[in-house]
Amino acid sequence: AQSVTQLGSHVSVSEGALVLLRCNYSSSVPPYLFWYVQYPNQGLQLLLKYTTGATLVKGINGFEAEFKKSETSFHLTKPSAHMSDAAEYFCAVSESNYGQNFVFGPGTRLSVLP
Amino acid sequence: SQTIHQWPATLVQPVGSPLSLECTVEGTSNPNLYWYRQAAGRGLQLLFYSVGIGQISSEVPQNLSASRPQDRQFILSSKKLLLSDSGFYLCAYWGGRTGGNTIYFGKGSWLTVV
Repeated sequence: AQSVTQLGSHVSVSEGALVLLRCNYSSSVPPYLFWYVQYPNQGLQLLLKYTTGATLVKGINGFEAEFKKSETSFHLTKPSAHMSDAAEYFCAVSESNYGQNFVFGPGTRLSVLP
Repeated sequence: SQTIHQWPATLVQPVGSPLSLECTVEGTSNPNLYWYRQAAGRGLQLLFYSVGIGQISSEVPQNLSASRPQDRQFILSSKKLLLSDSGFYLCAYWGGRTGGNTIYFGKGSWLTVV
């Protein structure tokens, strides 16, 4: 069965600093991987996804993630944090093209300090 | 384009009262539909999913039920709410091949049981 771990339930960075949110997964087959962002009192919005092909994936708002099969990781990065990036971030893994197979990580809350 | 609507956005209900949360999707036919719950400080828990009218699969036994009376309508219900039912409820649909093979979420419904 697939699973997702996100190291750090809360990460704080200064405005302009590098953002690094960690995600590790386990999967018995080549996975599909996703990052979602949730702003306060909102639903989840897709940031980026990896299905096949290029392992470095670029998403919205300047975020990107790299799929590393050998490390079973899909860490999310952004070179320079904005105050508007403060939100909760969820990593998700799926072993198929069906939503009921999605498994979400517990989430990481990102705070951006002025 | 595909859109998802979910209501009400917030509600406060006494213990033992009934519940009805509604979700509709536009711009697609026969979508896979999902209800998730997000308890405070916790990740996402898949409650129900539906692959068609009248077809409901329950992931977690509980005080809640779901129904799909129409192709693009998904309803979450309870006959008698418990305090533990409080949380943030998210409706979602599967985008399918034309929708990027990912899950799209509504804006959520905050339920507080008092």
